Amino acid sequence: AQSVTQLDSQVPVFEEAPVELRCNYSSSVSVYLFWYVQYPNQGLQLLLKYLSGSTLVKGINGFEAEFNKSQTSFHLRKPSVHISDTAEYFCAVKGDSSASKIIFGSGTRLSIRP
Amino acid sequence: EPEVTQTPSHQVTQMGQEVILRCVPISNHLYFYWYRQILGQKVEFLVSFYNNEISEKSEIFDDQFSVERPDGSNFTLKIRSTKLEDSAMYFCASRGEGLGSPLHFGNGTRLTVT
Repeated sequence: AQSVTQLDSQVPVFEEAPVELRCNYSSSVSVYLFWYVQYPNQGLQLLLKYLSGSTLVKGINGFEAEFNKSQTSFHLRKPSVHISDTAEYFCAVKGDSSASKIIFGSGTRLSIRP
Repeated sequence: EPEVTQTPSHQVTQMGQEVILRCVPISNHLYFYWYRQILGQKVEFLVSFYNNEISEKSEIFDDQFSVERPDGSNFTLKIRSTKLEDSAMYFCASRGEGLGSPLHFGNGTRLTVT
């Protein structure tokens, strides 16, 4: 079974500042990792995914994440945030079988201050 | 770009009534899911569906819940006798082949049980 922990429920940052949203996972098998974003009153949109290969993955809207197997982490980063990045961010994990479901973390609310 | 569509966007029902939430997954996808998000909380897995049968279900998905793919395009979630605690946002998702293929989500149906 897999699980995901997002330690920060809320992260306030100033506009144009860098941000890191933390995600740790646990699994007894190989995993695939995802970050989703949820804007107010909308569904979940895929930001980026890690399947294999390079541990640094780039996604939409200038976000990137780094897979660290030894620390079982998949932190999301952006060097300079905008007001429009205000949203809820969910880290998610999936096991390596076709039937595995995707498990979501509890989410991190990113609020951007002008 | 193809997308998952859900109807209705908002459903209000009285406790004890049956509701059917409808979803049209992306046409060439084979794996279908329902997730639930109670206001302000995490996205919770309900059920996965593949090859016309349930692949996995969570403990939330009790006998009051059922899913169906009545034709080649729709995927429905039925709640037979709604309870107040069923009030939540319900998200349908689908994905294609490939162990690491991400979920594509609809915009959700907000269910309010009064």
